[in-house]
Amino acid sequence: KAGVTQTPRYLIKTRGQQVTLSCSPISGHRSVSWYQQTPGQGLQFLFEYFSETQRNKGNFPGRFSGRQFSNSRSEMNVSTLELGDSALYLCASSDRKGYGYTFGSGTRLTVV
Amino acid sequence: QQQVKQSPQSLIVQKGGISIINCAYENTAFDYFPWYQQFPGKGPALLIAIRPDVSEKKEGRFTISFNKSAKQFSLHIMDSQPGDSATYFCAASDGSFFEGAQKLVFGQGTRLTINP
Repeated sequence: KAGVTQTPRYLIKTRGQQVTLSCSPISGHRSVSWYQQTPGQGLQFLFEYFSETQRNKGNFPGRFSGRQFSNSRSEMNVSTLELGDSALYLCASSDRKGYGYTFGSGTRLTVV
Repeated sequence: QQQVKQSPQSLIVQKGGISIINCAYENTAFDYFPWYQQFPGKGPALLIAIRPDVSEKKEGRFTISFNKSAKQFSLHIMDSQPGDSATYFCAASDGSFFEGAQKLVFGQGTRLTINP
């Protein structure tokens, strides 16, 4: 069974640009969550989608947005990039059988 | 209220020893407490999880101890091996976490090094 796939793995962007990250959950998983991981702030929740609807949102500015498609694949978008947005962005999917997340390997975003 | 405090930040243990990582929380609504293991270049992987109706859960060399009255829980790694060298995160969520419905609040992480 394929795991959670995130693309691209690495990304370098310039301040002010926007970026879109992609996540394909494990087949059959309907819930997709996004987290930001930085050395200073650790793992912080961005948002969660279930059946194309955002159910939960963390404390991030409106520049961070996401969506989920009918096949459960999800994208997150960050507009007007700032240096502080440099981080590892992790996607996780969950199924109804248990309470755990399965994380992808993340997208490493560097803003210069 | 939403924080999970984890200690120590880093830990060095000799091969064969016991590694102990501690976490404390304030939100009494939390009732799901997982531990994640993360290797460099990888996302966190679920290691073991506990609910507060039990005081201890063991899976192989990994044990979670839970103290509901103290609002503390800990991870014990018995017979620690060099392959256990990784960053460990505790986390917590309330009961509506089922199928990802609620966020996990993570501790700051512990970098564990097992010396051969």
